[in-house]
Amino acid sequence: QVQLVQSGAEVKKPGASVKVSCKASGYTFTSYDINWVRQATGQGLEWMGWMNPNSGNTGYAQKFQGRVTMTRNTSISTAYMELSSLRSEDTAVYYCARGFVVAGAFDIWGQGTMVTVSS
Amino acid sequence: DIQMTQSPSSLSASVGDRVTITCRASQSISSYLNWYQQKPGKAPKLLIYAASSLQSGVPSRFSGSGSGTDFTLTISSLQPEDFATYYCQQSYSSITFGQGTRLEIK
Repeated sequence: QVQLVQSGAEVKKPGASVKVSCKASGYTFTSYDINWVRQATGQGLEWMGWMNPNSGNTGYAQKFQGRVTMTRNTSISTAYMELSSLRSEDTAVYYCARGFVVAGAFDIWGQGTMVTVSS
Repeated sequence: DIQMTQSPSSLSASVGDRVTITCRASQSISSYLNWYQQKPGKAPKLLIYAASSLQSGVPSRFSGSGSGTDFTLTISSLQPEDFATYYCQQSYSSITFGQGTRLEIK
């Protein structure tokens, strides 16, 4: 079945970087954009950016410009999101989500990866 | 950035009730509006895309309407599994989500 499977939970110190992976299966990885959305505990959803797995083109939310990098490895159908200069406010669950063909919706989501930033 | 405002922020209702959640955009977004359901500890699930199109596999008791700046999500007859948090999302210019509406059992 169509699914996105993310890497496991991470604990990082302030100032460090984290790289989360998102492995796609059940569909052609290069045919759909991958987006990243995060959610702090008890808070709403925050979009971070998108990547076209075919071209590698990316677009980042202004808030994360300069701190986030989205990449992919098409040979293993995996997308990555790296966030640098971590601070406590980055503690959240990070989701990857497939871009639906219509209306910029996200139709398939990963299970989420908890990233904790703590000294 | 386009701001999305949902109302109410929380709502108590009973099984069988008809429920409506509203989402208002800070500027016109045409029909670039999507709705998601999220249960605790789970990823969001797409319910409605392009304001009024039902995602495959989603029960027909869910419906969406609106265009421009004002949108609604309606659940015609609440079922026990519908108690969750609902988010709207615009994709007209970048991507932004509403703050969420928590639907609780009365």
